[in-house]
Order: sequence, then structure tokens, then C-alpha cells
Amino acid sequence: DAGVTQSPTHLIKTRGQQVTLRCSPISGHKSVSWYQQVLGQGPQFIFQYYEKEERGRGNFPDRFSARQFPNYSSELNVNALLLGDSALYLCASSLVAGTGELFFGEGSRLTVL
Amino acid sequence: TQLLEQSPQFLSIQEGENLTVYCNSSSVFSSLQWYRQEPGEGPVLLVTVVTGGEVKKLKRLTFQFGDARKDSSLHITAAQPGDTGLYLCFHKDTNAGKSTFGDGTTLTVKP
Repeated sequence: DAGVTQSPTHLIKTRGQQVTLRCSPISGHKSVSWYQQVLGQGPQFIFQYYEKEERGRGNFPDRFSARQFPNYSSELNVNALLLGDSALYLCASSLVAGTGELFFGEGSRLTVL
Repeated sequence: TQLLEQSPQFLSIQEGENLTVYCNSSSVFSSLQWYRQEPGEGPVLLVTVVTGGEVKKLKRLTFQFGDARKDSSLHITAAQPGDTGLYLCFHKDTNAGKSTFGDGTTLTVKP
């Protein structure tokens, strides 16, 4: 079975632009979470979606938004990019919304110039 | 926000040595997870601990959850170069809908 897939794997944007990152969960997983990982730090929680509804939100500005589609895939959108948004964006899927195992993709590496 | 403090931040040892890394908080946790992340990859779950005082073993890795469920440790016996990676502790607060990773311990095991 395919694992969690994320696209694109790498991208470069300039300040003020907008970016959309995509995630396909493991088949049968209904929960998707997004994390931002800056070099040298642990991942920071951005959003969790379960059954197309937002179930949790981290301490990120409103420039960050996400959604989950009927097939449980998800998109993370970031508007008005800042240099500080440069990071690895990780998507994780899980069977349920609780404390079960998270399965991570390899991430999307965003560089903002 | 429940903070998870991990120590040490960096650890570089020779193959065959033993080591312990720590995850501490002022909050009580219903459960705690440990993940390992290798360069260019996402984190992978190693273990989930749920009971105060619990000890779990995974080959050369031993995980312990503190009696008060505020801290956890990971002990590696006879470390190997394949153990190199970023070790992260993690907690999911289902009531608040928030997830927290520690900043991790970067372990390098030299042959």
C-alpha cells in the first residue's frame, strides 16, 4: 500500500506569494494533520482535519488555511508568504482523530526568497 | 500549550556506547509517543506509553514513562550508526485539539 504522499517535494517562492501544498493520506485513513518543521526544531502543529472538518488548530496566523476533500486528501494554503515561512511542511495521516499512530509523508520543502 | 522539553539537544557518541535522552514537562499526560526522524524523511513512530511507570522495550531501545506521567526517557544500549537520527517526543491533547512535539535530540553514532 502507498504511504502518505505529498506534493510538491520542493518549491521556491518569493515574499508575498501564495502557495498550496497537497497531501494524500494512506488509504482508509480519515484524519490528516499538517506540521511545520523549521531546521533544528521539532515539527509545529498547524491543523488537523477529520472527516472533512477541522478538529484542531495550532498557533499560526490566519494566512495559513487548509481543507480536506471527500476522498480525505488535503491541501494547506499559505498566503502572503514571509521569509520565516521557509520550512519543511509535513503531512501526517491517521485512522482516527485521537491519539493513534501518525504516519508522515516525506514533506514539502518550501523556500521563500 | 503543553511544552515538551527534550535533552540533550545534541548527542554524538561512538558505536557501542549507551545513551539516554529525556522528555520533560510540567503537565501530566494521558499518553506520550516517541518518534524517530531521519534526514529527508518524516518521523516514524517508535512507541506509545500510556501508564505511569510503564517500561517498554523495542530491541535495544528501552522507553520509560514517569510515575507521575510528566516525563519520559529513551535509553539505547550498544548504539549503532543506524540509530542516527532526530528523536522526538510527542503528545496529542484530544480535548484541546492540539498536538505538541518536543524540539528533539539529534543523535549521531559514529562507526
